[in-house]
Amino acid sequence: GQNIDQPTEMTATEGAIVQINCTYQTSGFNGLFWYQQHAGEAPTFLSYNVLDGLEEKGRFSSFLSRSKGYSYLLLKELQMKDSASYLCAPMDSNYQLIWGAGTKLIIKP
Amino acid sequence: GAVVSQHPSRVICKSGTSVKIECRSLDFQATTMFWYRQFPKQSLMLMATSNEGSKATYEQGVEKDKFLINHASLTLSTLTVTSAHPEDSSFYICSARDYDRGADNSPLHFGNGTRLTVT
Repeated sequence: GQNIDQPTEMTATEGAIVQINCTYQTSGFNGLFWYQQHAGEAPTFLSYNVLDGLEEKGRFSSFLSRSKGYSYLLLKELQMKDSASYLCAPMDSNYQLIWGAGTKLIIKP
Repeated sequence: GAVVSQHPSRVICKSGTSVKIECRSLDFQATTMFWYRQFPKQSLMLMATSNEGSKATYEQGVEKDKFLINHASLTLSTLTVTSAHPEDSSFYICSARDYDRGADNSPLHFGNGTRLTVT
């Protein structure tokens, strides 16, 4: 079957760094997306990885290891507005996104 | 970037009535749009794939006669929840992929969602 494993909730301090891990199993693989979803809002696109390695985009970076079925999202210089759920969504062989429940990130002052 | 507009953002209706939700791609053409439903603290659940000019493809367990999808133009898809019941109360979100700017693996862009409450 297809599944995604992320921590349910994480807490971090404003100004710090946090890494959100994701392991996945899919039928085929066409890349992996990370989305941010604030409470009561729709997801917004953060990053896309299709090759192994690290993709950096400002304060956010995303890493992928296809052989391990593993990705992480790294958030630096955390701000209060980063409090949200972070969704790891791999894309299967049919180009369908597979969604987990995401990781709720709580930022404390 | 690609913008998807969804309307209304919130709707409260009585049990037994129907509700229509609109999803528009504002600056690109979307031959395919996706309708999701999300219950609190749960993952996005794909309900159906809306195809311009043809019938929608529904996911297993989603009643096509209850959730009517119409994709009459390249920029508009509608979802109608018919004979709504309290258990249909949820957050409905549409999305689309801008194929003009990328391939099948280009990111999904989401509308702002519709919070449906059935009383």
